Amino acid sequence: AQSVSQHNHHVILSEAASLELGCNYSYGGTVNLFWYVQYPGQHLQLLLKYFSGDPLVKGIKGFEAEFIKSKFSFNLRKPSVQWSDTAEYFCAVNTADTGRRALTFGSGTRLQVQP
Amino acid sequence: ETGVTQSPTHLIKTRGQQVTLRCSSQSGHNTVSWYQQALGQGPQFIFQYYREEENGRGNFPPRFSGLQFPNYSSELNVNALELDDSALYLCASSLSTSGAAETQYFGPGTRLLVL
Repeated sequence: AQSVSQHNHHVILSEAASLELGCNYSYGGTVNLFWYVQYPGQHLQLLLKYFSGDPLVKGIKGFEAEFIKSKFSFNLRKPSVQWSDTAEYFCAVNTADTGRRALTFGSGTRLQVQP
Repeated sequence: ETGVTQSPTHLIKTRGQQVTLRCSSQSGHNTVSWYQQALGQGPQFIFQYYREEENGRGNFPPRFSGLQFPNYSSELNVNALELDDSALYLCASSLSTSGAAETQYFGPGTRLLVL
């Protein structure tokens, strides 16, 4: 069974600092990769996704992620965070090999941006 | 375009009772997935419905059951509630087409408290 690891559980940054959140998955086949964000009091929203093609994907609000197949990683980055980026971030994966499209989520990273 | 909606927003039940949660999928979507998100954790896949049939199930007991209706809305039923069933229940809808990757869009969730 596939699994997703997010090693940073709680990250505290000052505004304008750069952000990188780690995500590693365990599955040897073809995967689809996602980052979702959950702002305080709001529902899960899609930040960006990777299905195929260019391994560097750009999402909303200046976020980007890089798929490195050899490292089974899909790290999320943002060059300069804002206070409004305070939220919980979830990495998720599903496999492209089966008919089931269930998402497997990591445990999440809580990002706190201080003004 | 209407997003994913869920009802009710909050619910309090006692141990042993039964509960039904409802979800309306996003316009144009034909697949509904249900997830359980315990406090401080990532969402866990319960099951998925496609064309009114269960299309995959996570590691949840049979007392978790579901339905999908012809209009693609869905229900999650939980019998014999246990204290550990207290969680945020998320519904996600997507458009499934043969062989194509898909993106799941989440509703705001129903927060269930079992006393």
